[in-house]
Amino acid sequence: GESVGLHLPTLSVQEGDNSIINCAYSNSASDYFIWYKQESGKGPQFIIDIRSNMDKRQGQRVTVLLNKTVKHLSLQIAATQPGDSAVYFCAEMLNTNAGKSTFGDGTTLTVKP
Amino acid sequence: EAQVTQNPRYLITVTGKKLTVTCSQNMNHEYMSWYRQDPGLGLRQIYYSMNVEVTDKGDVPEGYKVSRKEKRNFPLILESPSPNQTSLYFCASSLFGGGINQPQHFGDGTRLSIL
Repeated sequence: GESVGLHLPTLSVQEGDNSIINCAYSNSASDYFIWYKQESGKGPQFIIDIRSNMDKRQGQRVTVLLNKTVKHLSLQIAATQPGDSAVYFCAEMLNTNAGKSTFGDGTTLTVKP
Repeated sequence: EAQVTQNPRYLITVTGKKLTVTCSQNMNHEYMSWYRQDPGLGLRQIYYSMNVEVTDKGDVPEGYKVSRKEKRNFPLILESPSPNQTSLYFCASSLFGGGINQPQHFGDGTRLSIL
């Protein structure tokens, strides 16, 4: 079978390295996926999203990969900076006409200078 | 500035005393939702609303009520709060034009302590 990354509750990386945060989603019918970043004392903030008709989407320093076969999502952050230190959550929804939203367990990213 | 505003930000109260947490957004968003965040349990959806007068249960609706009488406001009501509702609460909103889900904008949270 395909190899996918494990979800880790914490991840520590060196400044300048690339980070990969993994998420396994639960509902095979979900077709809209979102990554959020939550800094201490604040609400989650949108980073990047992807719909199920794509398997990769790139933003500024971030890339999301979607593997529907194994219900896996990953967030790649290039050249990680201290300001990237936060908790990262994936969320899954149906693309249309449904408001149910399920969040994954978060990953706490710590960037060491 | 586009924002989701929750009030109060902090509240300590006692079991059984009805309380309301207000949520207001200035982005003309159709969709609004309430979540609670507890250590080790992540964010769990309480209720959501896809438009005015349309509300539906999320994963943990017990003990909560909501209403959506106007587009910008989505209050969360705890009729008889209990200690297990002590939590950090977030309100969120998003566009929902054409029935297509979009990323949510979150407020800064309301920390409730029920004694």
